[in-house]
Amino acid sequence: NAGVTQTPKFQVLKTGQSMTLQCAQDMNHNSMYWYRQDPGMGLRLIYYSASEGTTDKGEVPNGYNVSRLNKREFSLRLESAAPSQTSVYFCASTPWGPSNTGELFFGEGSRLTVL
Amino acid sequence: QQPVQSPQAVILREGEDAVINCSSSKALYSVHWYRQKHGEAPVFLMILLKGGEQKGHEKISASFNEKKQQSSLYLTASQLSYSGTYFCGTEMRDSNYQLIWGAGTKLIIKP
Repeated sequence: NAGVTQTPKFQVLKTGQSMTLQCAQDMNHNSMYWYRQDPGMGLRLIYYSASEGTTDKGEVPNGYNVSRLNKREFSLRLESAAPSQTSVYFCASTPWGPSNTGELFFGEGSRLTVL
Repeated sequence: QQPVQSPQAVILREGEDAVINCSSSKALYSVHWYRQKHGEAPVFLMILLKGGEQKGHEKISASFNEKKQQSSLYLTASQLSYSGTYFCGTEMRDSNYQLIWGAGTKLIIKP
């Protein structure tokens, strides 16, 4: 029972490079989220997907794009990485639909450094 | 809009009690509590819903004062395993079910 799996766990990029963070969950959850976590800032929502086929912006979507490929997978893409995007990125999922909130299940995180 | 957590950090001896507070400037629909150990993902502790319903599964309690727009997490007889950073996530009316997270409270338990 893998839960929420994120890849890669670590990545170093140069300014301007692009990359995609992958997230997959095997719990048949409806909703999936991408957060970033910076020291002293808590978690900030980048994008979320309340159900397969839908995506919505969160607090800090600029510089990111997402794809809800199917019910299992939700990817986050940085088209042109900037040093300000150095952060730890967490993917999360929940069985709850768009009319409720419940326990979030988090992946182990992806540590991204942009030089 | 970010809820304010206090204290920012606390150091306890094993067996001592701690209270962590989470205050919002806006009316809250629910408050969620998570604990994160260093280098790991946040782990769910409990949800407190407007109307008083409390959900959780650990030996840690919490309260939710809707009028004051604040929640408190109570850790009694702390254990070494309680060490970590505690985050509250707040859900507001018309927030489209997004949680706004506090900056965290770092809890250190010493033997």
